[in-house]
Amino acid sequence: DIQMTQSPASLSASLGETVTIECRASEDIYNGLAWYQQKPGKSPQLLIYNANSLHTGVPSRFSGSGSGTQYSLKINSLQSEDVASYFCQQYYDYPFTFGSGTKLEIK
Amino acid sequence: EVQLVESGGGLVQPGRSLKLSCAASGFTFSDYYMAWVRQAPTKGLEWVASISYDGGSTYYRDSVKGRFTISRDNAKSSLYLQMDSLRSEDTATYYCTTEGYDGTYYYNWFAYWGQGTLVTVSS
Repeated sequence: DIQMTQSPASLSASLGETVTIECRASEDIYNGLAWYQQKPGKSPQLLIYNANSLHTGVPSRFSGSGSGTQYSLKINSLQSEDVASYFCQQYYDYPFTFGSGTKLEIK
Repeated sequence: EVQLVESGGGLVQPGRSLKLSCAASGFTFSDYYMAWVRQAPTKGLEWVASISYDGGSTYYRDSVKGRFTISRDNAKSSLYLQMDSLRSEDTATYYCTTEGYDGTYYYNWFAYWGQGTLVTVSS
């Protein structure tokens, strides 16, 4: 199975700041990488697919980048509604696997 | 608007069975691959199983292979997960999800999610 190592596990930042979350795959996943946001008590929502494509309706302050085994999610101009957990997922190969998550809080 | 509504969760004893259902609306159900993804309490996400748009192909994670069966009824726009020989480690919220489709190609990201149904396996 492809292992997804996500960092940091938790993050505290101020409103208006830019934050970056990293995800490393145990092998090349050829941009088969998605990012999800899960707000407290809610189901996950797709943010990014194909490593850098924004899903319909997702604010442009979210962006994804990376290639090979290293990927990142950037959130510009952090807003209060961005408080959530964020997960990466590889879909290059079965079984699809997720990172362990990053919990984002406002400082 | 895409809607996915799961049902069928509950408390069940180890070794027993449970069947989850997901009612879909707001999109052409028969065009999409579908999947079940679960999340143990306060834990991360885990893909469980996927099924092709016509039900002809199914895929499972090793830990549920032979115990769980994913199926669909396109006439009813419904997805199912039959769970047999349940174990305590199957305790989780189970989400019904659509996989990605751009009208030409299929992709294995999870585009839309239901609200989830909680399955608790305990004696």
